[in-house]
Amino acid sequence: DTAVSQTPKYLVTQMGNDKSIKCEQNLGHDTMYWYKQDSKKFLKIMFSYNNKELIINETVPNRFSPKSPDKAHLNLHINSLELGDSAVYFCASSPYLGQGDTQYFGPGTRLTVL
Amino acid sequence: GQQVMQIPQYQHVQEGEDFTTYCNSSTTLSNIQWYKQRPGGHPVFLIQLVKSGEVKKQKRLTFQFGEAKKNSSLHITATQTTDVGTYFCAAHGSSNTGKLIFGQGTTLQVKP
Repeated sequence: DTAVSQTPKYLVTQMGNDKSIKCEQNLGHDTMYWYKQDSKKFLKIMFSYNNKELIINETVPNRFSPKSPDKAHLNLHINSLELGDSAVYFCASSPYLGQGDTQYFGPGTRLTVL
Repeated sequence: GQQVMQIPQYQHVQEGEDFTTYCNSSTTLSNIQWYKQRPGGHPVFLIQLVKSGEVKKQKRLTFQFGEAKKNSSLHITATQTTDVGTYFCAAHGSSNTGKLIFGQGTTLQVKP
């Protein structure tokens, strides 16, 4: 009965490859997010979706493409992986879109690009 | 863009000592949230402060929101080894997009 789940937990791949990370939430929330946490633990938002609609698209290279097939799922596809993409990627969800909502984070996917 | 500055970046304390982390913003915040991330874990929501001058307590943790709603602090009394982790403050951006802007985090180490 995990609230926010991500797969895979670890991802090791070569530069130039394409990879996907999947996220699912069973909380019935409307809004989902992708965050990147670098080696210094800085958390930065990348994307958010509300009911399958893209809301936030920060200055992220267009090699990153989120997809939300329904409001319970938000996947992240990364093309042509680079060394600098190595990080922990967290998916999160919140009940609604707006200020004051708590965000619930998934366990994270540690991506290592060799 | 809006930024939330958090200090210190690291803090090492002896078990039983107190610990405080501080967040500051140059702009007035509508609210501030605090999250804790255990080593190898994910951020977990602790609390939200909304009102000017608000103080909330959770056992040994005391959270404060400044009168001007531009700063906040988290104070832990008599730290325990279970307090180890990184504490983040986070504020919502000015637009109604749900965007959370996180502070840099304070990593707490507790020596038994």
